[in-house]
Amino acid sequence: AQKVTQAQTEISVVEKEDVTLDCVYETRDTTYYLFWYKQPPSGELVFLIRRNSFDEQNEISGRYSWNFQKSTSSFNFTITASQVVDSAVYFCALSEAPTTDSWGKLQFGAGTQVVVTP
Amino acid sequence: EADIYQTPRYLVIGTGKKITLECSQTMGHDKMYWYQQDPGMELHLIHYSYGVNSTEKGDLSSESTVSRIRTEHFPLTLESARPSHTSQYLCASSGFGSGGYEQYFGPGTRLTVT
Repeated sequence: AQKVTQAQTEISVVEKEDVTLDCVYETRDTTYYLFWYKQPPSGELVFLIRRNSFDEQNEISGRYSWNFQKSTSSFNFTITASQVVDSAVYFCALSEAPTTDSWGKLQFGAGTQVVVTP
Repeated sequence: EADIYQTPRYLVIGTGKKITLECSQTMGHDKMYWYQQDPGMELHLIHYSYGVNSTEKGDLSSESTVSRIRTEHFPLTLESARPSHTSQYLCASSGFGSGGYEQYFGPGTRLTVT
């Protein structure tokens, strides 16, 4: 069975501080996909990144960076020099390989609320 | 840019009314999903569809029903709304594209049943 754990319920930082969101996952599949989504106060979920299990290369996109480590089953997300607009709930999610009957379904973590104050 | 639409965005309705939440996407995605979410809380999959005439119940039991007669359209219906149905309902779709299986979400419908 799949499971995604986001142990941090809420993180509060002052603007310009870095913030790292933890995500730990469990799966029996050798091929799987990991995702991060952002949900601002307006409510919509915004797709941020997808990472395939066979690609452990870390990624940087502007102020965002992701650290994928299969050895520890973690897919952490860092926001550098946080801004007030980064205030949102961030969800980590896991999807099984397309060879299974339930592929395409996402298993979401409980989310981490990030509060950035000026 | 994801093109998935939900209407209405907000709905306040009395107990016992029948409601239909609309969801449409213009990306030609074969898979579509409905999630229920209380504000800031976990997302719970309540229905999904892998194509036309295919619908399945999700992980969270729901009294709602869905239909998939056209690829682009995946409406959700509540025959008799109750206060316990008050929540946000998010529609999503996914399909093969750039090798990924990410789901793209609509803006959501915030339902309040009085």
